[in-house]
Amino acid sequence: DTAVSQTPKYLVTQMGNDKSIKCEQNLGHDTMYWYKQDSKKFLKIMFSYNNKELIINETVPNRFSPKSPDKAHLNLHINSLELGDSAVYFCASSVLRGGATDTQYFGPGTRLTVL
Amino acid sequence: AQSVTQLGSHVSVSEGALVLLRCNYSSSVPPYLFWYVQYPNQGLQLLLKYTSAATLVKGINGFEAEFKKSETSFHLTKPSAHMSDAAEYFCAVSDNNAGNMLTFGGGTRLMVKP
Repeated sequence: DTAVSQTPKYLVTQMGNDKSIKCEQNLGHDTMYWYKQDSKKFLKIMFSYNNKELIINETVPNRFSPKSPDKAHLNLHINSLELGDSAVYFCASSVLRGGATDTQYFGPGTRLTVL
Repeated sequence: AQSVTQLGSHVSVSEGALVLLRCNYSSSVPPYLFWYVQYPNQGLQLLLKYTSAATLVKGINGFEAEFKKSETSFHLTKPSAHMSDAAEYFCAVSDNNAGNMLTFGGGTRLMVKP
């Protein structure tokens, strides 16, 4: 059983297009995250949602809009794609129990290529 | 603000040799520290984590790490490298005040020579 799944795995698109990446977790967690990994493998948090509420927004351009329809899903919509958006996007989930020790479980990643 | 520095973006060892991957952190509050491994074209998998219990933490696949507050370090070691250990390793720090977000180091690619 897949714990954290993302679709699609690969996404190739033209500059200026709008695209979405979907994430689902079946772990019963209440918190979900989006991370961006650039071409140099550097990983950075983008957003975090707890019980469908945004709790972290790390100065990401407003072309990026996360949406959490329920606790098990966190989708990422990107408008007007730019070359610099090319990266691997990882979804993760955890339980926010008021402690920072809970493990975050990561999805397999979505490799976005903007041409 | 928290930060993590991984010294050495690439480390190469021979099969059977000691693996040492370095991680230093900066945090204004007691940190929680993690090591994740990323195999090619895959997501991140937790190796081990420090949660202020024992300072020597044992993880999966024979890896362990020691938290040293005086050195602000959390280096990852394995006594004997295996070919299957070749991967990218990330050290990360988390704290209660930041919604449990992880701040990652730049990663270290471990290469294992036969």
